[in-house]
Amino acid sequence: SSELTQDPAVSVALGQTVRITCQGDSLRSYYASWYQQKPGQAPVLVIYGKNNRPSGIPDRFSGSSSGNTASLTITGAQAEDEADYYCNSRDSSGNHFYVFGTGTKVTVL
Amino acid sequence: EVQLVESGGGLVQPGRSLRLSCAASGFTFDDYAMHWVRQAPGKGLEWVSGISWNSGSIGYADSVKGRFTISRDNAKNSLYLQMNSLRAEDTALYYCAKDMTMELPGRDFDYWGQGTLVTVSS
Repeated sequence: SSELTQDPAVSVALGQTVRITCQGDSLRSYYASWYQQKPGQAPVLVIYGKNNRPSGIPDRFSGSSSGNTASLTITGAQAEDEADYYCNSRDSSGNHFYVFGTGTKVTVL
Repeated sequence: EVQLVESGGGLVQPGRSLRLSCAASGFTFDDYAMHWVRQAPGKGLEWVSGISWNSGSIGYADSVKGRFTISRDNAKNSLYLQMNSLRAEDTALYYCAKDMTMELPGRDFDYWGQGTLVTVSS
């Protein structure tokens, strides 16, 4: 099956901008979606499609894609953005429907 | 308000079976595909299985194919996961998640339950 690779951890100063990347062959064919997961909580969808935010997600979250890499950008990071972030996309291998990224822990300093 | 409430988890011995349920409310259940996603302790997310709105399309991860069976009862607004021949590596928090579309392959998971914990151990 396809794989989606993310950096294990990134840190960002309060109010600054951070970009989280996700790499994989399936991203050449399909958009990534992004999920935020805080400790002890279920994941929450923050970005889907080309660059769409579900209702209630702040506009400091944005998504982009180029080639085999998808990115989630948090512009003006807040303390409440500290969480694990997972990308997800359709699986281009043809055997499965979905694959999740390895996850990135975002620390807001 | 969309709600997804999982149940049925617990401690089970290797090789035994367990059936998970997910009760849905707050949306028209039979308008959407549904999924099970799991997360082993301290690990990342893993898609397990998905089912289209009318059960016409079903998919499984390789890791559970042949052992797990997904099903739904639209009259009861419920999703199920029958898990047989359980292994230690199936130990995880199992989430029920709603798709944004009817069919599979779908789109994205816009609502998640809080999960039910399955522990496989002797």
